[in-house]
Amino acid sequence: DTGVSQNPRHKITKRGQNVTFRCDPISEHNRLYWYRQTLGQGPEFLTYFQNEAQLEKSRLLSDRFSAERPKGSFSTLEIQRTEQGDSAMYLCASSPRGGATGSGEQYFGPGTRLTVT
Amino acid sequence: GNSVTQMEGPVTLSEEAFLTINCTYTATGYPSLFWYVQYPGEGLQLLLKATKADDKGSNKGFEATYRKETTSFHLEKGSVQVSDSAVYFCALSSFSGGYNKLIFGAGTRLAVHP
Repeated sequence: DTGVSQNPRHKITKRGQNVTFRCDPISEHNRLYWYRQTLGQGPEFLTYFQNEAQLEKSRLLSDRFSAERPKGSFSTLEIQRTEQGDSAMYLCASSPRGGATGSGEQYFGPGTRLTVT
Repeated sequence: GNSVTQMEGPVTLSEEAFLTINCTYTATGYPSLFWYVQYPGEGLQLLLKATKADDKGSNKGFEATYRKETTSFHLEKGSVQVSDSAVYFCALSSFSGGYNKLIFGAGTRLAVHP
């Protein structure tokens, strides 16, 4: 298994345009997470999927953001009407089925760096 | 709420020096604790973890001990190398709402010079 992959690695877009990112988790992992990381900060949680169900969304995820995970495999994160404040690294992570007794570790992809001009 | 506080960087060391990066946390319950490392232009890689009090996580010469009494998980390495230059993130995972959620510190940049 090659780990979590994300595409594209870099995206430059003009303000007001829509962008979509893709994440392919580790194949046997049923849990998938999206994070946003701004310069000089740690990753901040955006949303969580268990299989195809989106179970939690952060307040950081405004109504311009939407995420999907059809069939419980890959996931997409779309940002509509991008703003300069959306410029950040968007990270995807996955983890195997766990629970209260699991360690909770997550495996991260390389990220998609978004620049909104 | 849960939170993680790390020492501010950058930390600048000479090769073979001793490294300590401080991390303290606030959490309800019994979180698992992690150190992740991020090399330039890359995503986060899990460096080490500890799941209960007094556990010591270790990997690639790095160590950290889960200290419940001081709510700390300080990262140490006895002799750093230039290749250790990266940003290090302390994180905690708490089980809530049916899944484990990671909360990160702001990160500490380490620069090692020959």
